[in-house]
Amino acid sequence: ETGVTQTPRHLVMGMTNKKSLKCEQHLGHNAMYWYKQSAKKPLELMFVYSLEERVENNSVPSRFSPECPNSSHLFLHLHTLQPEDSALYLCASSQDPSGGTNEQFFGPGTRLTVL
Amino acid sequence: AQKVTQAQTEISVVEKEDVTLDCVYETRDTTYYLFWYKQPPSGELVFLIRRNSFDEQNEISGRYSWNFQKSTSSFNFTITASQVVDSAVYFCALSGFLIQGAQKLVFGQGTRLTINP
Repeated sequence: ETGVTQTPRHLVMGMTNKKSLKCEQHLGHNAMYWYKQSAKKPLELMFVYSLEERVENNSVPSRFSPECPNSSHLFLHLHTLQPEDSALYLCASSQDPSGGTNEQFFGPGTRLTVL
Repeated sequence: AQKVTQAQTEISVVEKEDVTLDCVYETRDTTYYLFWYKQPPSGELVFLIRRNSFDEQNEISGRYSWNFQKSTSSFNFTITASQVVDSAVYFCALSGFLIQGAQKLVFGQGTRLTINP
C-alpha cells in the first residue's frame, strides 16, 4: 500500500449505531487530519494530530471521537450520529518540517450516509 | 480570520480551450502558503502546487500555470489546451500554522470544471 488509505470507502449507518473510520498513511508523516466534505460546503477541518497529540479540535460535536494510536494510524469513532452528518470524510497526512509547511496528502475518503 | 474565495462555482468549456480558475484569499499573516488541489470523481484530493508568500514568481508545469499576485491577494490557475481528463473539482487553499508544525488548511468552496469533448 502506498500513500494514504481509508476504510471503509462507503458506510451506511443508523442513528443509534456505533462505527469507526480508519485511516492509515504509509508516507512516514507525523501529522494527520480529519476533514468533513458536505455538499455545497467548503472542506471543514475537524481534527489535527501532530506527533500523536491532538493539536486542534475545530468545535466538532462529541459524537465524533478521534483516536491516534501511532503516527501511521488515525481513527474517527462515530456514535449517535444525525442525518446531517452524512458527508465524505477525508483523512490527510503531512510531514512536520519544524518551521515550514508541506502539502497534505489525502486519502480517497469514506462516504458516510446516516439514516 | 483566514478566508479563501473561489467565485466560480462551475465552469464548462470545450476541449482544447484555455480556462482560468480564480482564487482570492484573505489573511493577516505575513508568512503563509497557498495550494491548489484537484478532486476527481473518485474523491481523493490530489496536490497540484504549493506557493509561499515570499515567492511571487509565476509557475508553469506542462499545461498548468499559476499566477500569484500579492497586490490583489489572488492565486489564479490556468489550464492551457484543456482535456476531458481535466474535468474535476478544483480547490484553492491557504495555510496557517499550528503548534508542532501541523498546518491548518482553509479551503475555498471549489470550482467544478467540466471539459466537453
